[in-house]
Amino acid sequence: GQNIDQPTEMTATEGAIVQINCTYQTSGFNGLFWYQQHAGEAPTFLSYNVLDGLEEKGRFSSFLSRSKGYSYLLLKELQMKDSASYLCAVMDSNYQLIWGAGTKLIIKP
Amino acid sequence: TAGITQAPTSQILAAGRSMTLRCTQDMRHNAMYWYRQDLGLGLRLIHYSNTAGTTGKGEVPDGYSVSRANTDDFPLTLASAVPSQTSVYFCASSEHQRDTDTQYFGPGTRLTVL
Repeated sequence: GQNIDQPTEMTATEGAIVQINCTYQTSGFNGLFWYQQHAGEAPTFLSYNVLDGLEEKGRFSSFLSRSKGYSYLLLKELQMKDSASYLCAVMDSNYQLIWGAGTKLIIKP
Repeated sequence: TAGITQAPTSQILAAGRSMTLRCTQDMRHNAMYWYRQDLGLGLRLIHYSNTAGTTGKGEVPDGYSVSRANTDDFPLTLASAVPSQTSVYFCASSEHQRDTDTQYFGPGTRLTVL
């Protein structure tokens, strides 16, 4: 079966760095997405990786290792507004997104 | 631009009743999707449409139907609601389906079936 695993919840301190991991097993691979979802709101796109390596976008970076079925989202200089759930999703061979359950990130002052 | 709009924002529905959740996008995207989001689970695809006039079944299609009469609208119908359909429903769109295009989400409809 297809499976996306990510931690249920993480806590970090304002100004610090946090890494959210995602491992996957899917039927084919056409890229990995990270979305941010604030409570009661819609998911919004953060990043897309299809090749191995690190993609940096401001305070957020995303890493992919296809051979290990592994990705992480790195958030630097954490701000209180970064408190949200972070969703990992893999596009399978049918171009359908398979979603993880999300990681709830709690930022403490 | 508005992007994707959904209506209603929330609804309480008696079991056995029917209901249509509305979704409209103004981005002229070809592909549209309906997901449900339940606590502790990832988003699950209910139905999708690659282009106007075509629809397909996702992971959890039972109890739901969709239509795609034009590019902009993609309504989701529950013919006879059951309590297990209590969920938050998100509509999304992307430029194409069989491609790695980013999906953009509407604000969601929170449905409670009693």
